[in-house]
This record gives sequence, C-alpha cells and structure tokens, in this order.
Amino acid sequence: DSGVTQTPKHLITATGQRVTLRCSPRSGDLSVYWYQQSLDQGLQFLIQYYNGEERAKGNILERFSAQQFPDLHSELNLSSLELGDSALYFCASSSRTGSLMGTGELFFGEGSRLTVL
Amino acid sequence: AQSVTQPDIHITVSEGASLELRCNYSYGATPYLFWYVQSPGQGLQLLLKYFSGDTLVQGIKGFEAEFKRSQSSFNLRKPSVHWSDAAEYFCAVGPSGGYNKLIFGAGTRLAVHP
Repeated sequence: DSGVTQTPKHLITATGQRVTLRCSPRSGDLSVYWYQQSLDQGLQFLIQYYNGEERAKGNILERFSAQQFPDLHSELNLSSLELGDSALYFCASSSRTGSLMGTGELFFGEGSRLTVL
Repeated sequence: AQSVTQPDIHITVSEGASLELRCNYSYGATPYLFWYVQSPGQGLQLLLKYFSGDTLVQGIKGFEAEFKRSQSSFNLRKPSVHWSDAAEYFCAVGPSGGYNKLIFGAGTRLAVHP
C-alpha cells in the first residue's frame, strides 16, 4: 500500500460527459502528480501541483483540468469526454519538499480506470 | 528533448533464468534514474533509483541496475527470476522541467515461464 488513495477505481461513462477523479496523497506529501496511461501513449505526465499551486504542466488537454485543495487532496476533471480518453489515470505524490533531492520517489495510487463508451 | 527508450516491449524468460531489461535515456544533464514495476491491476512501485555515486545500485526484490554514462543506459538485472516477477517494468528519468516530473519509457512486459 503506497498510501495514495484514488477514487473511483473504475468508471464507465458516455462520450460528451464529464467526470471527476479524486486523489488523496500520502500523509505529509505536498506534491501531487497526475499521469495518464493508455495502450498507445504509455505513461504520460499531465500536471503537477505543489501545496495548492500548479507547478508543471505536461500533455494535458484543454478539456481536462485539475486542482489541489487546502487539505492537499487533488481532483482531475475530464469534460466533453471522447472515446480516446479511455485510459488508466494515476495519481502520485512525493515528499514534503517536492524535490527529487528528497526521497526521490513518486508514490503511485492504484489508478482510476476510465472507460468512455 | 528528454526521453527514455525501452527497446523491448515483451520479454519472456524461464523461472530461475537471469534477466536484463534495457533502458536508454536522453538527458541534457546528470539524470536521476528510476525503475518502477507495475503488477496487473496495481499502481507503480519503485524498484530502485540512481542519483549519484556507485553506478551499481541495489533495489528491492533482488533487482539491481547499472548506470553507464558512456552508453546512456540504465539496465535492470536480476540473477534468478521468480514467477512473481511477471509484471510490466518502467524506466524513468528526471527531473524534467524542474521538481519531480519524471519521463517514463514505454515499458517492458515480462512473462515468466515455469
């Protein structure tokens, strides 16, 4: 158990809909990362938050947005869903310092599997 | 651009045989290198990491990896594979764009025959 909790584990929805994925980081971790894992794209970095502020942005579509709340949990919002958005969405958290000079490790949740029909 | 290449998509080995999974990276400075393992239905778990110092690093579950700067490689090895090692293995390099952002390879899926 990594200590990172993601809900829901599975989600099936239709094209055009909107969903919210939730992540609770490990206790004490201030950084939260979102990754998308699909068969054709592999593991793609979407976005990072550190203590409520956006720190890095990757290949995140404009239809997607995220935020980190004062209690440090994070939500990834996916809207106007398309078939191609079907994937496993991982949340990861890292040490309190938010730097690789800390533990140097990302702790991953078990993911939320999104299926868009 | 920073990138990670794992040349082998699938590898099959017999239980008890040795294993080497290849990883090559492209990075403008001294990289931090990682190997993660993903078991079916699970998240990614860190096997080992290299920051500096001894280029041969030991990880969990009997894995080791060797950093070779001249070859831009960080190959993962295990002397004797167990059936429970069947999983997908990801090599990663960072930091990218600052902070902890990691760039992952496409992964190598390992199958173990009894």
